Amino acid sequence: DGGITQSPKYLFRKEGQNVTLSCEQNLNHDAMYWYRQDPGQGLRLIYYSQIVNDFQKGDIAEGYSVSREKKESFPLTVTSAQKNPTAFYLCASSISGAGGTGELFFGEGSRLTVL
Amino acid sequence: GDSVTQMEGPVTLSEEAFLTINCTYTATGYPSLFWYVQYPGEGLQLLLKATKADDKGSNKGFEATYRKETTSFHLEKGSVQVSDSAVYFCALPGNTPLVFGKGTRLSVIA
Repeated sequence: DGGITQSPKYLFRKEGQNVTLSCEQNLNHDAMYWYRQDPGQGLRLIYYSQIVNDFQKGDIAEGYSVSREKKESFPLTVTSAQKNPTAFYLCASSISGAGGTGELFFGEGSRLTVL
Repeated sequence: GDSVTQMEGPVTLSEEAFLTINCTYTATGYPSLFWYVQYPGEGLQLLLKATKADDKGSNKGFEATYRKETTSFHLEKGSVQVSDSAVYFCALPGNTPLVFGKGTRLSVIA
């Protein structure tokens, strides 16, 4: 089945540690996105990539980094510089990076808790 | 810039009640409009969309009409079920990827 796979589903991290969240898609989509979701704040865009080897900062990129070496993969690293990393992280993809039809396909999410 | 504003929740309804979740938007031109739904512990999925003014999107008994006069795209369902309990997001394409509202949590009790 085609879709987006995020892993791990749950992750615990000690303060000061970097952690990488995986996002893989087999939909052959050009564009991929990372959102952060906090209670009462909806979704906030962290980074997005419209094509391999290129990505742009979203609204809350500080403390995060990404890479896009392959079309299928868009991992997100939460660095120790992120002051409040505990959140639910959602990866998404779309056929076109230009807004296009606007339909995003989402993974199941990764819940990160900093201890 | 482009934005959406949707009613704050949570909304609690009894089964078979009528549902309205308000959404208004600010945008240049007439972009497509979307409603996404997030069931507990899951990612978001597209519920319905409308691509031009006066269009009505519908799916799973939910409907929303794109009204340019009032810049609105309110979500409605005539008779909600317990299985409709979820968070609902209104969205539109901005200069970057989709711009989402803050979400409205719906709880339906039997």
